[in-house]
Amino acid sequence: DAGVIQSPRHEVTEMGQEVTLRCKPISGHDYLFWYRQTMMRGLELLIYFNNNVPIDDSGMPEDRFSAKMPNASFSTLKIQPSEPRDSAVYFCASARTRSGNTIYFGEGSWLTVV
Amino acid sequence: KQEVTQIPAALSVPEGENLVLNCSFTDSAIYNLQWFRQDPGKGLTSLLLIQSSQREQTSGRLNASLDKSSGRSTLYIAASQPGDSATYLCAVESGGGADGLTFGKGTHLIIQP
Repeated sequence: DAGVIQSPRHEVTEMGQEVTLRCKPISGHDYLFWYRQTMMRGLELLIYFNNNVPIDDSGMPEDRFSAKMPNASFSTLKIQPSEPRDSAVYFCASARTRSGNTIYFGEGSWLTVV
Repeated sequence: KQEVTQIPAALSVPEGENLVLNCSFTDSAIYNLQWFRQDPGKGLTSLLLIQSSQREQTSGRLNASLDKSSGRSTLYIAASQPGDSATYLCAVESGGGADGLTFGKGTHLIIQP
């Protein structure tokens, strides 16, 4: 398997624009996670899905953020409108089970909002 | 709320040395603890997973220990190599696994050739 695949790897956008980040989890993994990493706050869980259903979105910072998982092989994280403070690395990860097993991370989407 | 702290934030040692990275957590009621490695511009790779009932796990030159009662874990790296240079993150899973992973901010390790 190619691992967790994220796109785009890098994105620079202007404040106010919509940003869509994409993720393809590892086949057979029932759980998909979106994390955000910044120097100040480290890694934070934004939302996770089980069998394509959002289970916990308490980490989503505000209504400008939304995530979907229309099928088992694809998820999106959308920011609309984007703000400079959204600049971070956004990681998608997947796992077979909710906890206690290896979680596999993608290489991240590096977002800069100017 | 669980908080995870890693000390030191950065460490530079000559090749061949044995070294210890530290991780502490505030709530000892954890489900498991994991150590990850992150290379520059890359995602995280899981190195070791210690269940709450275990005291240590080993993989090659890596050994991770867990002391739940004191809220501490260590990652021991034997005979360090330049290829070990990376950021090492500790993460704990609390709430019976329902709360998700809480990460420390990592230790940035440089092994000097």
